Amino acid sequence: AQKITQTQPGMFVQEKEAVTLDCTYDTSDPSYGLFWYKQPSSGEMIFLIYQGSYDQQNATEGRYSLNFQKARKSANLVISASQLGDSAMYFCAMRPHQTGANNLFFGTGTRLTVIP
Amino acid sequence: DTGVSQDPRHKITKRGQNVTFRCDPISEHNRLYWYRQTLGQGPEFLTYFQNEAQLEKSRLLSDRFSAERPKGSFSTLEIQRTEQGDSAMYLCASSSDRGPVIPHFGDGTRLSIL
Repeated sequence: AQKITQTQPGMFVQEKEAVTLDCTYDTSDPSYGLFWYKQPSSGEMIFLIYQGSYDQQNATEGRYSLNFQKARKSANLVISASQLGDSAMYFCAMRPHQTGANNLFFGTGTRLTVIP
Repeated sequence: DTGVSQDPRHKITKRGQNVTFRCDPISEHNRLYWYRQTLGQGPEFLTYFQNEAQLEKSRLLSDRFSAERPKGSFSTLEIQRTEQGDSAMYLCASSSDRGPVIPHFGDGTRLSIL
């Protein structure tokens, strides 16, 4: 069975500070992809960053980086220099490459609020 | 490069009515997915197309749900005899099948059943 766990229902961060959003996953597939998406209140899901399970280096995309610890099965998202526009729901997701290879499994999300 | 487009953005209907949603994927993407998201939850997979072929359906997709992608381009999702529990955000995503497969989502269709 595939499972994504996001244990932080809500997080607050001061503008210009860094914040880490936690994500742990469970899969028996040896190969998988890990994703983070942002969902503002308007509803669209915006792709942020991807990490393959066999990638040697942690993924980075601008102010976003993924702290991938394979042995711990964790894929935390780090947002540096937070901006007011970062306030949104953030979802961690996984796509196993063998079982259920055609869909993403999502966590329940973390609501991030950036404080001016 | 236009993104995934969904229509309508909002749909309000009475219980028992049929509704149809449309999704236009990113033009060069051959894979298309439908997800459903209820309040306070992450999206849940409904179904997946590779070109015009519907290759996978979740058990969430009851007999009242049907999806098509007739020419391998746009897709429609129809819900017949809507029920209160169908109220949700319906998200469409598309991706290519090369490199890391990264689904890109549309803005969603929010369905409210009265």
